[in-house]
Formats: sequence, structure tokens, C-alpha cells
Amino acid sequence: GAGVSQTPSNKVTEKGKYVELRCDPISGHTALYWYRQSLGQGPEFLIYFQGTGAADDSGLPNDRFFAVRPEGSVSTLKIQRTERGDSAVYLCASSSVWGTEAFFGQGTRLTVV
Amino acid sequence: AQTVTQSQPEMSVQEAETVTLSCTYDTSENNYYLFWYKQPPSRQMILVIRQEAYKQQNATENRFSVNFQKAAKSFSLKISDSQLGDTAMYFCAFMNRRPMNRDDKIIFGKGTRLHILP
Repeated sequence: GAGVSQTPSNKVTEKGKYVELRCDPISGHTALYWYRQSLGQGPEFLIYFQGTGAADDSGLPNDRFFAVRPEGSVSTLKIQRTERGDSAVYLCASSSVWGTEAFFGQGTRLTVV
Repeated sequence: AQTVTQSQPEMSVQEAETVTLSCTYDTSENNYYLFWYKQPPSRQMILVIRQEAYKQQNATENRFSVNFQKAAKSFSLKISDSQLGDTAMYFCAFMNRRPMNRDDKIIFGKGTRLHILP
């Protein structure tokens, strides 16, 4: 497809478990962003990649959160020892290095029970 | 640190009316972009309109226009002839422009929930 794809669209996990959320950006986009959006709130920045490297990871809330983008395309957001407070929609976006419009996926709704 | 403030949590207007959503931001940078994004219940964030800070002319996209006041750090969105399909959350957002065309993260406001009433 031509857009940003996020899988799974919904994930329910038990407190304390490990989860991985995947983002497939638009082909050729070098910038990739992860955001977290709680109900009724604006997207909260987590991490931003330029190519394979994290250009800014200042939004990761603690060391339970980690993200990788090993080949500069697909990215995985990893959450260890999940807590109920991690429940939110996790949004991914990508943009080209020459552009300023970020294209968003439809998000993964994570529910920790 | 940059911040984006949307002071209207929720608004309702009748179909075909004009509505203005407010946004203010804070930055010490001079070169940046401002955006309005729409998020319907489907969760898909859609870019509505974009403004480059160095351009004095206000951006316009069909029924959507902005009032960009750089000195006041204000960036409001006007929706003319509002339609039922405009019902959504609207987010104001800010992004620094960096050298070498490598842009910065996008910072979002908390959003305004807009209801268009039939």
C-alpha cells in the first residue's frame, strides 16, 4: 500500500508482559516518528528517527520503552513490563527528508489489563 | 522548549457556518512550520493546512484558511461553509526547520473537538 501501515491495529496484553508494535513507513521516507495518544489528548512525542538512527528520543517516558529501525525502513516500538498506564493509541508517521508533511498511520490501540 | 496551546477544548457550530479555532505557540526559533491536522473517529491524522513561518501570506486550502500572526505567535484556523464531514478533533502543531532539510519533531496541542450540527 501507499500509506503508513501499523500492526497490529489493536493489542490487548496483561500487565507485566512485553509488546512490540510495528510501523511500515511510506517507501523512501527517511524520517519516522512515534507518538502516544491518550484518550481525548493530543499526540505526545516519543521518538524520531532519521534513517536508522534516533535523532531525538527525548520523549520516551522511561527505560521500559525502546524503538529500533535497523534498516532505515520498518520500525518497531518495544515496551517491556507493560503497565496499565501504557494503555493508549500509538501513532507512527513518516516524512521524506525534503518534505515537511508527515503522513500518519491509523495507530495501534494498546490496552494493558 | 516549544509549546502549542489550544484554548478551546470543544466547539459546536451549525452546518454552513464559519468557525475559527485558536492556537498559540511559544518558540525562540525563527524558522519553523505550523500545521493544522484533523483526526476523525477513524484515528487517521490528516493534514489540513501548512504554513511556513517565513511566508507572510496566510495559507489557504479551499474552505480552510489560517490567520498567522508571527509576532503574536498565533495561528488560527478558519473553516468556511462548514460541512458535517468536518466533525473531528483538530490539532495545531509546530515543527522547527533545521539545516540540511532535516526537520525536527512535530509538537502537537491538546486539540479542539469540533462538532458540525445539521
